[in-house]
Amino acid sequence: EAGVAQSPRYKIIEKRQSVAFWCNPISGHATLYWYQQILGQGPKLLIQFQNNGVVDDSQLPKDRFSAERLKGVDSTLKIQPAKLEDSAVYLCASSLGPSGRALHFGNGTRLTVT
Amino acid sequence: SQELEQSPQSLIVQEGKNLTINCTSSKTLYGLYWYKQKYGEGLIFLMMLQKGGEEKSHEKITAKLDEKKQQSSLHITASQPSHAGIYLCGADGRGNTGKLIFGQGTTLQVKP
Repeated sequence: EAGVAQSPRYKIIEKRQSVAFWCNPISGHATLYWYQQILGQGPKLLIQFQNNGVVDDSQLPKDRFSAERLKGVDSTLKIQPAKLEDSAVYLCASSLGPSGRALHFGNGTRLTVT
Repeated sequence: SQELEQSPQSLIVQEGKNLTINCTSSKTLYGLYWYKQKYGEGLIFLMMLQKGGEEKSHEKITAKLDEKKQQSSLHITASQPSHAGIYLCGADGRGNTGKLIFGQGTTLQVKP
C-alpha cells in the first residue's frame, strides 16, 4: 500500500510571501489531518477533514492559513503571507476513520521562512 | 485542554541496554498511541493502547497503559542503534475524534 505522499519536501521563502503544500492520503482513507511541528516540539493539529468537509479547524490561524480538500481525496494547505514563526515541518496524516484508528503520516514539508 | 508530558526529554544509552520512556496525561486517557520519528521524516506508527492495563509488544518494544495513573510507558529491551530517533506519544482527548494531541517527544541515542 502506498503511503501518504507530500510535496514539496523542502521550501524556503521570504516572510510575507505565500506558499502551498500538497498531500495525497492513502487510498480509501476518509480522514485527513494537517499538523504543524516546530523544531523540538510534538506535532500540533491545524485542521481535520472528513471526506471533503472540515471537522475541526479551531487551531488553524485563519488570517493567514487556508486548507481545502475539494474532492475528498488530496488536500492543499496554503500560507499567505508567511511569517518567521511559520518555519516548521508541515505533516499530513490520514486514517480510515475518525475514531480509534491509527494515523499514517507523510514525510512532511520542511518550511523555512527567512 | 489535555496535555501530554514525556520523560525523559532525551536519553543516551549504550547498545544492549534497556530503557523506558514515560508519557503522562493531564486528563483521562481514552487511547494512547506511540510513534517513532527519525530526523527529517514523518511519524511511524508503533502501537495503539486502548484499555487500562493493556500491554502490547512489537519486536523488542513493549508499551503499557495505566489508565488510573493516566500514564503510558514504552520499554525497549536490548537497545540497538536502529532504535535511535524521537519517540512521541499521542492521545485522543475524547476517545472518538481521531484528533491526536502529542507530547513533546523523547530523543533517544544509542551508542554502539
